[in-house]
Amino acid sequence: NAGVTQTPKFQVLKTGQSMTLQCAQDMNHEYMSWYRQDPGMGLRLIHYSVGAGITDQGEVPNGYNVSRSTTEDFPLRLLSAAPSQTSVYFCASRFQGPQETQYFGPGTRLLVL
Amino acid sequence: AQSVTQLDSQVPVFEEAPVELRCNYSSSVSVYLFWYVQYPNQGLQLLLKYLSGSTLVKGINGFEAEFNKSQTSFHLRKPSVHISDTAEYFCAVRPHNTDKLIFGTGTRLQVFP
Repeated sequence: NAGVTQTPKFQVLKTGQSMTLQCAQDMNHEYMSWYRQDPGMGLRLIHYSVGAGITDQGEVPNGYNVSRSTTEDFPLRLLSAAPSQTSVYFCASRFQGPQETQYFGPGTRLLVL
Repeated sequence: AQSVTQLDSQVPVFEEAPVELRCNYSSSVSVYLFWYVQYPNQGLQLLLKYLSGSTLVKGINGFEAEFNKSQTSFHLRKPSVHISDTAEYFCAVRPHNTDKLIFGTGTRLQVFP
């Protein structure tokens, strides 16, 4: 199993540009989520999905869109990048159920100029 | 609403010394508790979790944590740290009635020779 994979590893954008952060998992997990990590703030939930075709907002959803057309993939779209979106983004997945362990991808480091 | 507090943002310690990383939480419902570790430039991986039963939980790399319901704490301990334990450690809770994982702001453990 590759686990949770994310691409790209690094990205530099200019303000106003759009891009998609890719996330895939091969563990047949129903639940997938996106977090952003900022210094001194821990990880904050952006969006999550409990299965294909179902998505919902997390704590900091503004400026981001998601979709879940397959079980495996959960892309995160930045519609119009802003410097405040400079962060490290982590995708995670797990089986459904609050006891289940969440597995994280290696992260995407995004710089918005 | 739930929250997680990690009181120490940084903990410096010498190699082979014991260490305790503190975590307190606030929740109106019962929670599952997790500790994750993040090595430099990597994603998060699970150290240990408390779901039920014995309040002393043992995890990977010699770490253990004790759940104290009356004090709403889940402190992480290791009797003798190694240089390789240098990393950031995150405490997280998941309420029994939700899918969301709520993180603390993290504690950076720096082990010196």
